[in-house]
Amino acid sequence: DTGVSQNPRHKITKRGQNVTFRCDPISEHNRLYWYRQTLGQGPEFLTYFQNEAQLEKSRLLSDRFSAERPKGSFSTLEIQRTEQGDSAMYLCASSLGVRAADTQYFGPGTRLTVL
Amino acid sequence: GDSVTQMEGPVTLSEEAFLTINCTYTATGYPSLFWYVQYPGEGLQLLLKATKADDKGSNKGFEATYRKETTSFHLEKGSVQVSDSAVYFCALPCIQGAQKLVFGQGTRLTINP
Repeated sequence: DTGVSQNPRHKITKRGQNVTFRCDPISEHNRLYWYRQTLGQGPEFLTYFQNEAQLEKSRLLSDRFSAERPKGSFSTLEIQRTEQGDSAMYLCASSLGVRAADTQYFGPGTRLTVL
Repeated sequence: GDSVTQMEGPVTLSEEAFLTINCTYTATGYPSLFWYVQYPGEGLQLLLKATKADDKGSNKGFEATYRKETTSFHLEKGSVQVSDSAVYFCALPCIQGAQKLVFGQGTRLTINP
């Protein structure tokens, strides 16, 4: 068990460019979550996968954002036409099971800076 | 909707001091409650959790008791160390749907030697 990994750890881009982040969850974890954390705030939910199905998306997830989890393993989060307001830490978490009490395990995050 | 309120920080204490970080919540039903910790430059780590009323979660000398009557889950430690310096987040999962975590705003704790 190597934990949740995320790549890249840091991304600096210019406004208007597209970026893609990757998350590798803990092996066999069926649930995968994306959160966004801005400076001085707690993480906010973006979207959620149960296996390969994307079952819920937050209103925070504008149509410039898209997420996939092909084959129910790793996931990617793409942001098109980035804006300065997209600058944040993007966190991925995974869990095994379907109960609310099941622990979500977080990756180290990808810090995005949009210039 | 579900929400979590934490005491505002930052909190600065001397080593071996007693720590309390307050957390209250609003939720539908009786969710599990979590404390996560974020050390500098790292992701969130689960510190402790409690799954039902009156449960006490504990880990690394930290404790928190699930109080249904006061809708609280305050974090305590009897004697803090410099290595406890971090940001602490109280969280609960929404019972419906994705069971996504709802977090408080976080409390930054600094322990001075």
